[in-house]
Amino acid sequence: SQTIHQWPATLVQPVGSPLSLECTVEGTSNPNLYWYRQAAGRGLQLLFYSVGIGQISSEVPQNLSASRPQDRQFILSSKKLLLSDSGFYLCAYQPQNTEAFFGQGTRLTVV
Amino acid sequence: TQLLEQSPQFLSIQEGENLTVYCNSSSVFSSLQWYRQEPGEGPVLLVTVVTGGEVKKLKRLTFQFGDARKDSSLHITAAQPGDTGLYLCAGEDQGTSYGKLTFGQGTILTVHP
Repeated sequence: SQTIHQWPATLVQPVGSPLSLECTVEGTSNPNLYWYRQAAGRGLQLLFYSVGIGQISSEVPQNLSASRPQDRQFILSSKKLLLSDSGFYLCAYQPQNTEAFFGQGTRLTVV
Repeated sequence: TQLLEQSPQFLSIQEGENLTVYCNSSSVFSSLQWYRQEPGEGPVLLVTVVTGGEVKKLKRLTFQFGDARKDSSLHITAAQPGDTGLYLCAGEDQGTSYGKLTFGQGTILTVHP
């Protein structure tokens, strides 16, 4: 069966510090991978998507970057966090462009 | 850019009442999905509708896709406290090779016992 792991679950980071959120998928090959941000429990904003290793597309300009060093690994990063980067970050994969399966999410608070 | 307008944003009802959540767009979607999300967790898929006019039932939940595939509704009959959560609709954009989903802003449903 397919599973998606995302960590950490919660993170409190000072302004200006770096960020690295990791997401891994099991039980599927060459999935489309996504990073979303959700503000205040509302709709999801797509940040990045990847259709293969090393292939990253950004949906919105921002202070964040993404990388896909392995087929089933997707990483969200920042060199220097801003207060506005606080939010709930969700990793997801879509097998064969079907419905999305989400990780448990990371609650990031920048202080 | 395709947009999905979801309404209402908040819904607070008593146990046993019926409710409907709407998802509307001026754009056509390849498919439309409904998700339910608990606080602190990722959304979980409830249903996918693909064909215009399609109706799907999941116990007390009824999902409908508009004939033109631009809108959808979620109807819950005899709501229960366990139905409480955030409901999200998401449309799969036509014309993208990677199955991009556009999400509505969500409906926060609270069912009081």
